[in-house]
Amino acid sequence: GAVVSQHPSWVICKSGTSVKIECRSLDFQATTMFWYRQFPKQSLMLMATSNEGSKATYEQGVEKDKFLINHASLTLSTLTVTSAHPEDSSFYICSVSRSPLHFGNGTRLTVT
Amino acid sequence: LAKTTQPISMDSYEGQEVNITCSHNNIATNDYITWYQQFPSQGPRFIIQGYKTKVTNEVASLFIPADRKSSTLSLPRVSLSDTAVYYCLVGDRMDSSYKLIFGSGTRLLVRP
Repeated sequence: GAVVSQHPSWVICKSGTSVKIECRSLDFQATTMFWYRQFPKQSLMLMATSNEGSKATYEQGVEKDKFLINHASLTLSTLTVTSAHPEDSSFYICSVSRSPLHFGNGTRLTVT
Repeated sequence: LAKTTQPISMDSYEGQEVNITCSHNNIATNDYITWYQQFPSQGPRFIIQGYKTKVTNEVASLFIPADRKSSTLSLPRVSLSDTAVYYCLVGDRMDSSYKLIFGSGTRLLVRP
């Protein structure tokens, strides 16, 4: 199956700063990747679809200017949380679009 | 995208067989049914995928009736390490966007 690597696995940042999360597809050229967010004791919520070489597609209610997605190559998508606030603290998970979908191990973001 | 409904939680004991049923009444013709397992602070892990009848692999079986409006994940002889959240998802795996929407999942607790 596809191997998906996420980095960092956890990060702590101060309010107002930006944080970049990387998602790498190690053995599959992914034209599409997905970004999810998960709050404690809740299910995964799809944030956006990352498309290689084009703009990401955001789900309703997700601010595209706050969650910047870049998918510059077939193996790398990045999610940048800009001007992070404590309410952005969450578990962010990426996945590679292939059947079946394979997920990274997630990034725990804590904003202080 | 088909919506899925699962029990919120289930309890079992080590060595028992566990069956988790998922309802997906508006499943489309091209949709496949996929089950994932998630441990705390980890990304979802693929368990099994099927389209109809029965699929079996080394960890689980998936039973799908003829009308495909539901499916049952069967875990034989569970152990404590099977305590996790289990998600049932449906989607068209031939669709290049193939985004999966997670339902609430089933929180399985295996007791000694």
